[in-house]
Amino acid sequence: EIVLTQSPGTLSLSPGERATLSCRASQSVSSSYLAWYQQKPGQAPRLLIYGASSRATGIPDRFSGSGFGTDFTLTISRLEPEDFAVYYCQQYGSPITFGQGTRLEIK
Amino acid sequence: QVQLVQSGAEVKKPGASVKVSCKASGNTFTSYVISWVRQAPGQGLEWMGWISADNGNTNYVQNLQGRVTMTTDTSTNTAYMELRSLRSADTAVYYCARLKRGMDVWGQGTTVTVSS
Repeated sequence: EIVLTQSPGTLSLSPGERATLSCRASQSVSSSYLAWYQQKPGQAPRLLIYGASSRATGIPDRFSGSGFGTDFTLTISRLEPEDFAVYYCQQYGSPITFGQGTRLEIK
Repeated sequence: QVQLVQSGAEVKKPGASVKVSCKASGNTFTSYVISWVRQAPGQGLEWMGWISADNGNTNYVQNLQGRVTMTTDTSTNTAYMELRSLRSADTAVYYCARLKRGMDVWGQGTTVTVSS
């Protein structure tokens, strides 16, 4: 099983700033199978990025994904108020696993 | 636009079973792979398994094998997840999601509470 470790656990930033979230895998992940999700309180997760760097339908271009092998990054170029949420990375090989999440909070 | 609509909240006693449904809109249900994911209160996301709607093939997470069964009914475009021998640690919100380039469409979630 591939273990995904996200850092930091909590990120405190202000609207307009740039956010960089990290996801490190315990073994190499095919880039085709790395995704990022956003979850707000009381809501289901929302797919942001699949295949490590492809934006899902309707996702603003301030969200971008990068990385390969064991190190992946989600970048939000300029934070909007609605971006403050919890973010999860996921690898969807077998078995599917999620990271523990990064909470992005308003500073 | 694909939508997944789940059944309502459940309260169960320890040792009981629960069966959660997930109904899909659209005409291409047999092309779907439906994943189930749960989230305990205040915790992260835990993948439980998936089922292929066209042939019923399943893949369950190891620590739920023997307690979980996923099925589909293609006549009603509905996926089901049954969890048996419930314990308090199974208290969570249960989500279904379509597995397609990640999990691109999610149900609204079903709260299952296990309490004596």
